[in-house]
Amino acid sequence: QQQVKQSPQSLIVQKGGISIINCAYENTAFDYFPWYQQFPGKGPALLIAIRPDVSEKKEGRFTISFNKSAKQFSLHIMDSQPGDSATYFCAASPYYNQGGKLIFGQGTELSVKP
Amino acid sequence: DTAVSQTPKYLVTQMGNDKSIKCEQNLGHDTMYWYKQDSKKFLKIMFSYNNKELIINETVPNRFSPKSPDKAHLNLHINSLELGDSAVYFCASSHRGQGFEAFFGQGTRLTVV
Repeated sequence: QQQVKQSPQSLIVQKGGISIINCAYENTAFDYFPWYQQFPGKGPALLIAIRPDVSEKKEGRFTISFNKSAKQFSLHIMDSQPGDSATYFCAASPYYNQGGKLIFGQGTELSVKP
Repeated sequence: DTAVSQTPKYLVTQMGNDKSIKCEQNLGHDTMYWYKQDSKKFLKIMFSYNNKELIINETVPNRFSPKSPDKAHLNLHINSLELGDSAVYFCASSHRGQGFEAFFGQGTRLTVV
C-alpha cells in the first residue's frame, strides 16, 4: 500500500526556534521524497527534495533528514520566521513509470509566533 | 507570465450541474495532473496526462472527465455535481518522470450547494 503518514498536524514555534515535522512511509517503491509549502489561497510549492540514497540535504534554513531503514524522513526549519507560517506537506514520488504522481502526507500547519 | 494558470479561481454551483475547470501551463512540461484538496487539506492525485495521453486515473468517479487538447492544456469537466465534490482542485505540471518537482496552479475552489 502506498501511504505517507505525517505528524504533527499542527505546530506552534517561537521566532528563531527550530520547527520539526516528521513523516513515515510504508512502501519502498519511491524514488523521491519532496516537501511542499502551501500558503493560504495558493497552490503547494516545492521546497526541497531528497533521494533515498542520501541521508541529509540542506538548503538554507531547511534540512531534510532521511532514515531509509526506518522508512522515515523529517523536515527541520532552523531559525523559524513568521514568514514560514504555512502548511507543509511531505510527499513520496513513485518510480518513473507510475505517471509521476505525488503521494502526500496529511499536512502540518506551522505557525511561527513573533 | 503565470507558470500554471487555472480558471476560474472560484466556482459556486448547484447540485446536478455540469462544470469545467481549465488549466494551462507555459513551462514546456509534458506531464500534467489534477489533484484534489479536501476540507482537511489532504491532497490526492486524480489524473495524470503525458503528452495528451492518460497515464493515471486514481479511481475517480466517471463523472469526472479530463481532456487534454495539447500538452500545455488539461481541462477537467465534472458532470452531475454532488455535494461531496466540494473541494479545491489543483492543476499541476512537471517534466516527464519528474513528478516530485511539480508546479501547481493557484487552485479552483469548487462549492456545490
